Amino acid sequence: NAGVTQTPKFQVLKTGQSMTLQCAQDMNHEYMSWYRQDPGMGLRLIHYSVGAGITDQGEVPNGYNVSRSTTEDFPLRLLSAAPSQTSVYFCASATDYNSPLHFGNGTRLTVT
Amino acid sequence: GQSLEQPSEVTAVEGAIVQINCTYQTSGFYGLSWYQQHDGGAPTFLSYNALDGLEETGRFSSFLSRSDSYGYLLLQELQMKDSASYFCAVRDNNQAGTALIFGKGTTLSVSS
Repeated sequence: NAGVTQTPKFQVLKTGQSMTLQCAQDMNHEYMSWYRQDPGMGLRLIHYSVGAGITDQGEVPNGYNVSRSTTEDFPLRLLSAAPSQTSVYFCASATDYNSPLHFGNGTRLTVT
Repeated sequence: GQSLEQPSEVTAVEGAIVQINCTYQTSGFYGLSWYQQHDGGAPTFLSYNALDGLEETGRFSSFLSRSDSYGYLLLQELQMKDSASYFCAVRDNNQAGTALIFGKGTTLSVSS
C-alpha cells in the first residue's frame, strides 16, 4: 500500500527554471493539498483540491499552479523558480475535507 | 481569517507528563486537530476534537474548550521517541471548511 507518493525527493533548481512536483495517491481520496514547510513557519497551505477538476488557493499560492485531472494525481508547478521557494513541500490527501490528512514524504527543493 | 498560537519549544524528561497548549482564532470552528512530525519525516495525524472535553488515545490525550478557543495535547509517560514537533490545526471557515491551517509547531525534546 503506497499511500501518498511524492517525486522527486530532492531537487535543485536555478532561479527562473520551471518544474513540476509530482504527487500521487492510491487510496481513492477526494481531497488533496500541497503545503510548504520552512523553519519556524510551520506548514503553510499552497493549493488544495476537493475533487477532480476542482482546485482552490491556500495561504501562499503565488508562484505555484496546480491542476487535478484525475482523482489520483495532484501535481504542483513552479512557473519561474525563485530562491524564496526553497522549502520542503508536502502533499497530503484525505477521504474528504473533514478527514485526517495523510502526508507524503516530502520534496526538498533548493533554488539557487 | 484564522490564527493559531502554540509554544515554540518544550522540554521534559522520560517518564514525565507534558502539555502543549494551542489557542486559536477563527471566524468559524470545525474542530481542532493535532499532528506529530519527527525530524526529517512527514506529519502524521494524532487526534481530533470537535466537541469540548478530553479525547484519549493511549499515552496521548487531547482537550478542547470551544468557549476559550483553547486546546491542548497531553503526553504521558514520555519516551525518547516522543521527541518531535507537534502541530495544532483548524479548518479555514473562509474556504467553507475545506482547508486545514496549521500552527507553527512545538518542538518537544525528551531527555533521559
